[in-house]
Amino acid sequence: DAEITQSPRHKITETGRQVTLACHQTWNHNNMFWYRQDLGHGLRLIHYSYGVQDTNKGEVSDGYSVSRSNTEDLPLTLESAASSQTSVYFCASSGGGLGEQFFGPGTRLTVL
Amino acid sequence: AQSVTQPDIHITVSEGASLELRCNYSYGATPYLFWYVQSPGQGLQLLLKYFSGDTLVQGIKGFEAEFKRSQSSFNLRKPSVHWSDAAEYFCAVGGYGGATNKLIFGTGTLLAVQP
Repeated sequence: DAEITQSPRHKITETGRQVTLACHQTWNHNNMFWYRQDLGHGLRLIHYSYGVQDTNKGEVSDGYSVSRSNTEDLPLTLESAASSQTSVYFCASSGGGLGEQFFGPGTRLTVL
Repeated sequence: AQSVTQPDIHITVSEGASLELRCNYSYGATPYLFWYVQSPGQGLQLLLKYFSGDTLVQGIKGFEAEFKRSQSSFNLRKPSVHWSDAAEYFCAVGGYGGATNKLIFGTGTLLAVQP
């Protein structure tokens, strides 16, 4: 069965370190998204991609970057982790124009 | 600006009671509407979606939702809640193609179920 996976599931890092969160989908979807989930804010879009070599900023993109070198993967990089980036991160993908997205299990990131 | 409002942050219902979770949206074009459920420690799972046609849509786990354009609402209902329905529920709005492939999520409603 097709799926979307994230790794690691839990990560503890220190302020200032670079961190990369992996997202891999086997749906062969063109569209991929990264969200962060924080209490009282729901899900907020960080970055998204509509295909290989395409990346776009979402509403909370500062301090994050993504790259899309193939259809299956959209890694999220925190260039210099900050305590404000402690959150749960979700990756999602969608295949067509109607917007339905499929979500990964999430990565809980703690920045100390 | 496009937005989704879920006015109830937390709701508690008794097992077997009926449930209605509210969702209001602001969207310039014809919206595509979704309800997702998130169990503790899990990702989001799609419950149901509305694209067009019949304004009452059926989803998984016995849930349904009704699209009311005049009220800009897409409320989620279930006639009899089970303890396993305890979770967080998110309403989302999106559109067709291009930049509108993005979804805008509400802040969620946390449902607790009393025995």
